[in-house]
Amino acid sequence: ETGVTQTPRHLVMGMTNKKSLKCEQHLGHNAMYWYKQSAKKPLELMFVYSLEERVENNSVPSRFSPECPNSSHLFLHLHTLQPEDSALYLCASSLQSSGANVLTFGAGSRLTVL
Amino acid sequence: AQSVTQLGSHVSVSEGALVLLRCNYSSSVPPYLFWYVQYPNQGLQLLLKYTSAATLVKGINGFEAEFKKSETSFHLTKPSAHMSDAAEYFCALTRGGGADGLTFGKGTHLIIQP
Repeated sequence: ETGVTQTPRHLVMGMTNKKSLKCEQHLGHNAMYWYKQSAKKPLELMFVYSLEERVENNSVPSRFSPECPNSSHLFLHLHTLQPEDSALYLCASSLQSSGANVLTFGAGSRLTVL
Repeated sequence: AQSVTQLGSHVSVSEGALVLLRCNYSSSVPPYLFWYVQYPNQGLQLLLKYTSAATLVKGINGFEAEFKKSETSFHLTKPSAHMSDAAEYFCALTRGGGADGLTFGKGTHLIIQP
């Protein structure tokens, strides 16, 4: 399989549950990203990993915990979420360069928190 | 700080008419600029990118965009709209270099009238 694959595509969880979102890329990229897409708001950059090291964390609540075990896989661990965390979570990857950083996106994981 | 402003959250055009989606940016350094498209229940797909090689950039599906530094704009156009163009369109920028995440506008929903 090629491109960026996200699982699950849909997830419903209660506020006390613990779940994880998974992202996998087969493009040979060395940087991975998590974005949050909510209705009527710009896409929000949550986390950036470069060469498996976290390089950016845009003040995301600690109930979101990322993990990047290798350059092909990225996880977002979720615990004690709030209803306002319901959104589409998009994973992306890119090949670091000195020029334009072109991101390739997955189809997203639609999260609903009850 | 950098930002992207997309004028008009919704744009409606007739099939066969000109499509014009507006994007203005603010950046302290020369930016790289992108247009992405998102179809329902899918991730973001790259339409085109500006990397300073040429001010008029051609992308997929007949779209093009022109970088105008004096107006800090990067508007997206297509001469003749097709029903399949109905989607959400996002303008984005990055400073370039390293694993620099994209800064997105709020998006413009393009509606095609038959």
